Amino acid sequence: DADVTQTPRNRITKTGKRIMLECSQTKGHDRMYWYRQDPGLGLRLIYYSFDVKDINKGEISDGYSVSRQAQAKFSLSLESAIPNQTALYFCATSDTPLTGEQFFGPGTRLTVL
Amino acid sequence: GQNIDQPTEMTATEGAIVQINCTYQTSGFNGLFWYQQHAGEAPTFLSYNVLDGLEEKGRFSSFLSRSKGYSYLLLKELQMKDSASYLCAVRDAGNMLTFGGGTRLMVKP
Repeated sequence: DADVTQTPRNRITKTGKRIMLECSQTKGHDRMYWYRQDPGLGLRLIYYSFDVKDINKGEISDGYSVSRQAQAKFSLSLESAIPNQTALYFCATSDTPLTGEQFFGPGTRLTVL
Repeated sequence: GQNIDQPTEMTATEGAIVQINCTYQTSGFNGLFWYQQHAGEAPTFLSYNVLDGLEEKGRFSSFLSRSKGYSYLLLKELQMKDSASYLCAVRDAGNMLTFGGGTRLMVKP
């Protein structure tokens, strides 16, 4: 079984709809992250959480919100989706800051029409 | 903040050696990562450098010069399955990663 899972894997929606992307992990890591990836722009950080009571904005948080329901679950919401939010979204986890290696989920391909 | 530059695309021949460069400017450096990402898939960890020098791991090696803000990933004995994007990422003093745009490597027969 995968250590970091994301649902859904693919989603097509319309402008103005509310969308939630979910991430679960079985690695026991405290730190979780949401990134989006656009062609040529690499991975850009949307939000991150270092524990259940900690939520922080990343580089591009506008238009997004998150919820850390438990150590193992971190959800990303688009309150009112717009076409330029069409992208590949990745959840990631990491453990202690000694190495900082991040482990990525399989990604969610979101298309906003 | 961080500024990371790497070439957009590279092409190499099966069996050859290729070097993918990454330069960075950072307000606080705490290590550099290389990730491999096949199209449509998740990035996977390749290497980590925090001290100057070369780290070797099988066919892949990664080099770091902190004074020059420079790293490279060296892939030897290229295989077709090495066709992928290679992401350079810098970790800052707060242990956050900033990723470069990635280098898409195409390996030809």
